[in-house]
Parts: sequence; structure tokens; C-alpha cells
Amino acid sequence: DAGVIQSPRHEVTEMGQEVTLRCKPISGHNSLFWYRQTMMRGLELLIYFNNNVPIDDSGMPEDRFSAKMPNASFSTLKIQPSEPRDSAVYFCASSRQAKNIQYFGAGTRLSVL
Amino acid sequence: QQQVKQSPQSLIVQKGGISIINCAYENTAFDYFPWYQQFPGKGPALLIAIRPDVSEKKEGRFTISFNKSAKQFSLHIMDSQPGDSATYFCAAMKDSSYKLIFGSGTRLLVRP
Repeated sequence: DAGVIQSPRHEVTEMGQEVTLRCKPISGHNSLFWYRQTMMRGLELLIYFNNNVPIDDSGMPEDRFSAKMPNASFSTLKIQPSEPRDSAVYFCASSRQAKNIQYFGAGTRLSVL
Repeated sequence: QQQVKQSPQSLIVQKGGISIINCAYENTAFDYFPWYQQFPGKGPALLIAIRPDVSEKKEGRFTISFNKSAKQFSLHIMDSQPGDSATYFCAAMKDSSYKLIFGSGTRLLVRP
């Protein structure tokens, strides 16, 4: 299996621009997680999907952040408009079931200038 | 009560030495305690995990020690190797939940 695939690996954008991060979970996994990693706050859960349905979005920092999972093999995390404080590494993870081992992608390093 | 406190923030060990990373938690409802290893430019990967019904779990050179009464658990890396240089995260979760609560991470450097 190819593992969790995230794209792009790096994104540099200017403040105010829209950013879309993409994730392809491992086939057969029905739980998908988006995390943000920063030096100050560590690894934070942003949103959790189960069977393509958002279950917990309490970690989404602001209305500027939105996430979708239109099908079992694809999810997006969108930031609009982006701000410099959004600069971080964003990880997508998937698991066979919610409480099973979470497999992380390689992450997208976002820099907002 | 949801926090997991991890120490030290960074650790330097000579090759062949023992690396020890400690974590403490408050929420007694936590019943699954994994350790994740993260190399630069990669995502975290599960290294080893323990449940509170045992006090120790060993997988190769990696051992988790668990002290339920003290609400503490630690990772021991025996015979540390330069290839073990990475950031290590402890985490905790309620078995009925989906939410992993991560520690702040420990950056380990093993010198040749």
C-alpha cells in the first residue's frame, strides 16, 4: 500500500490567498484526521471524519478553515483567506477504525508570507 | 486534564547508551498510550504502544514502562543508534474515543 498521500508537500503563498491541501487516505480506512503541527502548539487535531462525515471539527481554529471529504479516497483542507499565523505543517492521517492505529502522511509544509 | 506532559524537550545520547523519555497524564480515563517516532520531513509513525493492564512492553530495543498509580509512562531505547535520532511523541487516548492527545515531543540526537 502507498500509505497516506498528501499534496502538495510544500506550499508558499501570500497572505490573503486561498490554500487547498489534499489527502488520499489508505484504501479501506474509514477514519480520516487532519492535524496541524507547530513548534508552539505541537500536534493538534483539527478535524475528524468517519465514513466521510465530519464528526468533530472543534479543533478547526477559525471560520477561515474548512474541510471536506467528498468520498472515501479524498479529502481537502482549505484556508481562505490565509494568514501568516497559519504557517505550519499540516498532516493527514487515516485509520481502519476510529480507535485503531493512525497512519500519517508526510505532511504539507505551508508558509504564508 | 486532557494534557500529556512530556520531558525532556531534547536529549543527546552517545551511541550504545540508553535514551529515556518520560510522559505524565492526568485523565484516568486514558487507556491507550502509544509512542510515535517522527523523522525530519516525515509524518509521525507508531513505534510501540501499551495499555494499562501491563506495566511493561518490549519490542526489540524499545520498551515502554507504565506506572498506573503515578500516571506516568516512559520510553526506553536501549543500545541507542544514530539511526534512532528523531523526534518522539507520547500520546494518550480513551479506548472509546478517536482523539489522540499528544505530548510536546522530544528531539533525540544519538551521537556516533
